[in-house]
Amino acid sequence: QVHLVESGGGVVQPGRSLRLSCAASGFSFSSDSMHWVRQAPGLGLEWVAFISHDGNNKYHADSVKGRFTISRDNSKNTLSLQMDSLRPEDTAVYYCVKDRGGSWTFDFWGQGTLVTVSS
Amino acid sequence: QSALTQPRSVSGSPGQSVTISCTGTSSDVGGYNFVSWSQQHPGKAPKVMIYDVSKRPSGVPDRFSGSKSGNTASLTISGLQAEDEADYYCSSYAGSYTWVFGGGTKLTVL
Repeated sequence: QVHLVESGGGVVQPGRSLRLSCAASGFSFSSDSMHWVRQAPGLGLEWVAFISHDGNNKYHADSVKGRFTISRDNSKNTLSLQMDSLRPEDTAVYYCVKDRGGSWTFDFWGQGTLVTVSS
Repeated sequence: QSALTQPRSVSGSPGQSVTISCTGTSSDVGGYNFVSWSQQHPGKAPKVMIYDVSKRPSGVPDRFSGSKSGNTASLTISGLQAEDEADYYCSSYAGSYTWVFGGGTKLTVL
């Protein structure tokens, strides 16, 4: 079955960088687009970034554009999110989400990794 | 991208039906049939219950149904069960490779 495991979260100071990873298994990773979605503590969900199955098309939410970069390595079945110039408002659980394919909706969610931006 | 509008909370007794609304604009909910609903229990990852407005993924009970009229999508849960108590989030494709979520609705089973 589909399995998505995020890692790389932690506590980081404002202005610093962090790189999140998501290990995918149980499906043909190279055939599916992927997303990152985040959830600030006690708040709702916010879409962060999308990457096409081959990595050629990448899109980011305005709130992170120019600071975050989504990428993937299909040879390692891994999705990544490079987060630079972090701000306190970036504090959230970050979820790796599989795109449904053939439909612009979400399919399967990972368990998430917590990022805390604080001095 | 603006968030979709959901009621903060809804409630119902076991066996009853409840409906959660999700209001957007013609640029998201009204413009595409790519609305999904996700269920999230406390401390857990979300799980997709409805996609493409009204389709159910394999394994989701048929007590869960979705619909859309204009700029408003709805999730209906019939025959409420205790395990349905959770937060529910709607989401919609908003064009140009962007997606938007609702603020979430807390469902309480009385």
